[in-house]
Amino acid sequence: EVQLVESGGGLVQPGGSLRVSCAASGFTFSRYWMTWVRQAPGKGLEWVANIKQDGIEKYYVNSVKGRFTISRDNAKNSLYLQMNSLRAEDTAVYYCARNSPITETHGGLDYYYYYMDVWGKGTAVTVSS
Amino acid sequence: EVVMTQSPATLSVSPGERAILSCRASQSVSRNLAWFQQKPGQAPRLLIYGASTRATTIPARFSGSGSGTDFTLTISSLQSEDFAIYYCQQYNNWPPPYSFGQGTKLEI
Repeated sequence: EVQLVESGGGLVQPGGSLRVSCAASGFTFSRYWMTWVRQAPGKGLEWVANIKQDGIEKYYVNSVKGRFTISRDNAKNSLYLQMNSLRAEDTAVYYCARNSPITETHGGLDYYYYYMDVWGKGTAVTVSS
Repeated sequence: EVVMTQSPATLSVSPGERAILSCRASQSVSRNLAWFQQKPGQAPRLLIYGASTRATTIPARFSGSGSGTDFTLTISSLQSEDFAIYYCQQYNNWPPPYSFGQGTKLEI
């Protein structure tokens, strides 16, 4: 069974740090881009960061750039989000998601687009004093 | 950054009726659009990708259409388990971020 399980959430003071993890199983983790998405209490979904299969190429939403770091360990089938300088507005449930590709061909070139097809149940992070 | 706008914010319908949810992008996203369903206390679930392709195990009463900037999710003959919040998301622009709509709550 394809599965993602997040862990590591909890209560942290403003300015503090926390690392959340996502354990993957049931698929070849090293073949997929992976993404973190968060959801503040009572709010909608916000894309946070993603990471390429090799762990080198990474992208972030502006609000977390310079504070959050996404990483992965393909040998351990695990995805991580290191969160530093946490703020009250970072309070949210953090979900990890697998990205599957769609290929489009234009002018003889292949372009890849990635949609999120498998999600974990999430881990809650609360930033409060 | 691409802004996704969903309408209406809340849609009240009865079981057995049809629901039509809309999603508009601030610029063309081609057909690189997904729809997700989220029930209280649960993770989002992928319904549609590529604007119109149903994900694995998604019932045929869910259908997606559109391209460019205007998209629609149609749920024919609503079942009780369909009452939830629905989000659209574009994954077209590079580099990310990939923006979500603010959601449409489907209620009885």
